[in-house]
Amino acid sequence: NAGVTQTPKFQVLKTGQSMTLQCAQDMNHEYMSWYRQDPGMGLRLIHYSVGAGITDQGEVPNGYNVSRSTTEDFPLRLLSAAPSQTSVYFCASSLRQAEKLFFGSGTQLSVL
Amino acid sequence: AQTVTQSQPEMSVQEAETVTLSCTYDTSENNYYLFWYKQPPSRQMILVIRQEAYKQQNATENRFSVNFQKAAKSFSLKISDSQLGDTAMYFCAFMKHRYSGNTPLVFGKGTRLSVIA
Repeated sequence: NAGVTQTPKFQVLKTGQSMTLQCAQDMNHEYMSWYRQDPGMGLRLIHYSVGAGITDQGEVPNGYNVSRSTTEDFPLRLLSAAPSQTSVYFCASSLRQAEKLFFGSGTQLSVL
Repeated sequence: AQTVTQSQPEMSVQEAETVTLSCTYDTSENNYYLFWYKQPPSRQMILVIRQEAYKQQNATENRFSVNFQKAAKSFSLKISDSQLGDTAMYFCAFMKHRYSGNTPLVFGKGTRLSVIA
């Protein structure tokens, strides 16, 4: 049972490049979400999904896209990376909302 | 919108002593959930404890317990017999009841706890 798998663990981008952060869970969880963590800011929600085909914006959605075509996968796309997107990104899932969140190990992203 | 406030950016405690981390929140909801998450230097997020607002009894998990004061909108975490492995960032988090609609988890900014030998 792998839990929540995030890839890559580290990434360096140049301004303007695009990339996709991958997130997969094998627990048949309905709820998946992406957070970014910045020093002194805690974790801020980017996007979340309550099931396949359903996504919604969080607190800081600008510059990011998501889709949920399957229950297992919830990729996060950066369309045109900016230095302000330098952060640690976490994917998390739970069986349903308000249940225990299972977190991935995080992706350290640097945009130069 | 719901907000979660952790007023102590950093704290320290001697090994084997007890420490309390503060958390307050703002909501107009009556039914909701509160959480404490721990993030050690490994960066992994670990659920410490979960409280359902409609339950008056304070949640406990081994050395971790909460003081949930619903009227005061306060949710503090007490760590007893502190251990070096408790050194971590601690995040308080809030979520409305799912019957209130799609409600994501909202985090506070965290408290960095250092346990000193």
